[in-house]
Amino acid sequence: DVKVTQSSRYLVKRTGEKVFLECVQDMDHENMFWYRQDPGLGLRLIYFSYDVKMKEKGDIPEGYSVSREKKERFSLILESASTNQTSMYLCASRGDADTQYFGPGTRLTVL
Amino acid sequence: AQSVTQLGSHVSVSEGALVLLRCNYSSSVPPYLFWYVQYPNQGLQLLLKYTSAATLVKGINGFEAEFKKSETSFHLTKPSAHMSDAAEYFCAVSAGGANSKLTFGKGITLSVRP
Repeated sequence: DVKVTQSSRYLVKRTGEKVFLECVQDMDHENMFWYRQDPGLGLRLIYFSYDVKMKEKGDIPEGYSVSREKKERFSLILESASTNQTSMYLCASRGDADTQYFGPGTRLTVL
Repeated sequence: AQSVTQLGSHVSVSEGALVLLRCNYSSSVPPYLFWYVQYPNQGLQLLLKYTSAATLVKGINGFEAEFKKSETSFHLTKPSAHMSDAAEYFCAVSAGGANSKLTFGKGITLSVRP
């Protein structure tokens, strides 16, 4: 089975802090994704990566950056957390036929 | 460009009743189509997918979906709802190809009444 893990299930940070969310997949997938999920808005793509050190902006990249130094690990970085970044963050990796496999999510609260 | 429409945000059924969750899509190329389920405070789990083989796709937990090209639909059904089916359900579409992405609908919350 594909396994996608995320470093934290719940995280509380203060406004202005730098926040790192990490995601690891064990299936040697090339493509990985970061989404945020908010009530009534569904899933919105923040960034994705199709290879090591390669990244592309998704639909809502403002306020975020990413890092992919190794194939199995894809990190989402909030340079200076703000309260409007309080959300559920979901990481996914892509297997055959565009199937995405999701991690359990990180619920981030920014105070 | 591709898009997914899931009408309504909430569906409520009685235990044992038919579950029908609607999904319509638009895509300029033959699509891949997916249904995912999300239980509270968890990630998304793949229920089933259509990848241009059989138009009637069977998934986990007794769910199935039928791809209807003429109606651009991919509705999710289950003959008899169980309390454990209460969750949020997302339909998604992809155009396929290298580096393609999924486009998700806004999701539908399914409630099951005893």
